[in-house]
Amino acid sequence: GIQVEQSPPDLILQEGANSTLRCNFSDSVNNLQWFHQNPWGQLINLFYIPSGTKQNGRLSATTVATERYSLLYISSSQTTDSGVYFCAVGDSGNTPLVFGKGTRLSVIA
Amino acid sequence: EPEVTQTPSHQVTQMGQEVILRCVPISNHLYFYWYRQILGQKVEFLVSFYNNEISEKSEIFDDQFSVERPDGSNFTLKIRSTKLEDSAMYFCASSPSSGGEGEQFFGPGTRLTVL
Repeated sequence: GIQVEQSPPDLILQEGANSTLRCNFSDSVNNLQWFHQNPWGQLINLFYIPSGTKQNGRLSATTVATERYSLLYISSSQTTDSGVYFCAVGDSGNTPLVFGKGTRLSVIA
Repeated sequence: EPEVTQTPSHQVTQMGQEVILRCVPISNHLYFYWYRQILGQKVEFLVSFYNNEISEKSEIFDDQFSVERPDGSNFTLKIRSTKLEDSAMYFCASSPSSGGEGEQFFGPGTRLTVL
């Protein structure tokens, strides 16, 4: 099955700093999603981005499907950005998602 | 904006007891999923459901698990005889079927604790 690797596993930032989180996957995908897991354990949808680039406020994401990676950019980080960021992929429209192990982000004031 | 809901938010049960976790998917969605996340680990797929039957299941989804769509709105996960290792966060998700768009929308989760 598809393998998903996220890097870095842990990241500590000062408030206001920018960061880039990476997701590599082992096979072609038709579904790629980024999630933020908040301190209460909820998975918050950030992006549905099987290809291309999207932006939502301070967050943006780019997926280069032909090279099998996706990047999540966080600009001007805030303490509320802290949590675990997961990348998840699927090889076709409605197949189950395979999650990476996540990047744990800590933003310090 | 429509969202997936789950009840209860927390469930504490004794080992060996049956539990039913409930989900209300987004109303016009046709694909439904259950995932679980053991504390500190990644999210893992359990089962997917389409057209009133299981379409795919993982090796985690053994005979102690079952799913049901008892009416037009609810989607349930039953664990027949809970074990300590079933303690986890359980997420329900749904997705539409049209046009190959497979974005999955996740509920807030049910945290299950087995004592």
